[in-house]
Amino acid sequence: AQTVTQSQPEMSVQEAETVTLSCTYDTSESDYYLFWYKQPPSRQMILVIRQEAYKQQNATENRFSVNFQKAAKSFSLKISDSQLGDAAMYFCAYHGTASKLTFGTGTRLQVTL
Amino acid sequence: DAGVIQSPRHEVTEMGQEVTLRCKPISGHDYLFWYRQTMMRGLELLIYFNNNVPIDDSGMPEDRFSAKMPNASFSTLKIQPSEPRDSAVYFCASSFEVGTGGSPSRETQYFGPGTRLLVL
Repeated sequence: AQTVTQSQPEMSVQEAETVTLSCTYDTSESDYYLFWYKQPPSRQMILVIRQEAYKQQNATENRFSVNFQKAAKSFSLKISDSQLGDAAMYFCAYHGTASKLTFGTGTRLQVTL
Repeated sequence: DAGVIQSPRHEVTEMGQEVTLRCKPISGHDYLFWYRQTMMRGLELLIYFNNNVPIDDSGMPEDRFSAKMPNASFSTLKIQPSEPRDSAVYFCASSFEVGTGGSPSRETQYFGPGTRLLVL
């Protein structure tokens, strides 16, 4: 079974600075998708970014980018120019041949002035 | 598009009562998922449907839980009888399959706002 590990329960970053959230996963599959979801206090799950495993190029979405290391099974999220609105729980998720998303335990990001 | 719609947003009930959670997926999406989020277990998939047909219900905790999808635009998750340990946030998500059939959808799942359930 696939597992997703987020080893940082909490992270803190100053406004305008850069922060990297870590995620590792375990799978025997070669074709899969990886996602980062954001969950603010409203509890809405919001897609931040996704990466197809067959693509070598790292995905980027404005201030959000990933460092996808397929061999190392690592999928970290970098947030540049952090804003107060980035404060939330961030979940890494794996989607393989089964339709379900397997989530990590989440990282709570605090953004300070 | 309005996105995935869930109702109610909050539900407080007493142990033993029946609870029905509702979901309207994004129009055109052919996959619908029900997830539960708790502090202890995190986010876990309960069941998912493809074209209104339940495909995998292995995550449904026990017989007290049931889910239906009578048509492409509506699904329910029912708990009868409810217990305090069912207290959680229940999410509905939908997605669509791109390309040929056979493989499950790998497309992005879009989540509803969730229903916060408290069973006293």
